[in-house]
Amino acid sequence: AQSVAQPEDQVNVAEGNPLTVKCTYSVSGNPYLFWYVQYPNRGLQFLLKYITGDNLVKGSYGFEAEFNKSQTSFHLKKPSALVSDSALYSCAVRVLDTGRRALTFGSGTRLQVQP
Amino acid sequence: DTGVSQNPRHKITKRGQNVTFRCDPISEHNRLYWYRQTLGQGPEFLTYFQNEAQLEKSRLLSDRFSAERPKGSFSTLEIQRTEQGDSAMYLCASSPPQGSETQYFGPGTRLLVL
Repeated sequence: AQSVAQPEDQVNVAEGNPLTVKCTYSVSGNPYLFWYVQYPNRGLQFLLKYITGDNLVKGSYGFEAEFNKSQTSFHLKKPSALVSDSALYSCAVRVLDTGRRALTFGSGTRLQVQP
Repeated sequence: DTGVSQNPRHKITKRGQNVTFRCDPISEHNRLYWYRQTLGQGPEFLTYFQNEAQLEKSRLLSDRFSAERPKGSFSTLEIQRTEQGDSAMYLCASSPPQGSETQYFGPGTRLLVL
């Protein structure tokens, strides 16, 4: 079975400071990893993904994430937070090399950026 | 707008009634997915179609739930004899045939069962 853990329900950061939203995963096999963002009254929006290759992945709105196989982590980062980054962030995983395409999501982390 | 669309956006029903939701994927996306999200939880996978074939079903998809994609384009999700525990946001996503593993999500249908 595959699972995703987002250990923090909420992360608070001041505008202009760096932010990190944590994600760890458990799968049997090689993972595909994703980050999505959800704004109020909006659907899940794709931010970035790791499939293979460079462990540092860059995505939309200045976000990036680092795949760490030994720590089974895929933390989301941004060098300088904006108030408009305040939203719910969800990490998801699925296993490569199987016929299954279902994503398993974490419970989400609410990011609050204070002015 | 060329994203995934879902209708209705909101549905209130009484326990025991049947409801049906519709999802229109992004044009030319042959893969379509249904998820359910309850308050404070991440989305949970329900089922997956490739074209008109239903290839994956979660154990969450009880006998009261049925999904179809008859022509490989739009999909419907029906819940029969709704229960209060069915209250949730129902999300649809689609992805292209090859080259991208990314699932693009619609805005969801929020169901409230009274």
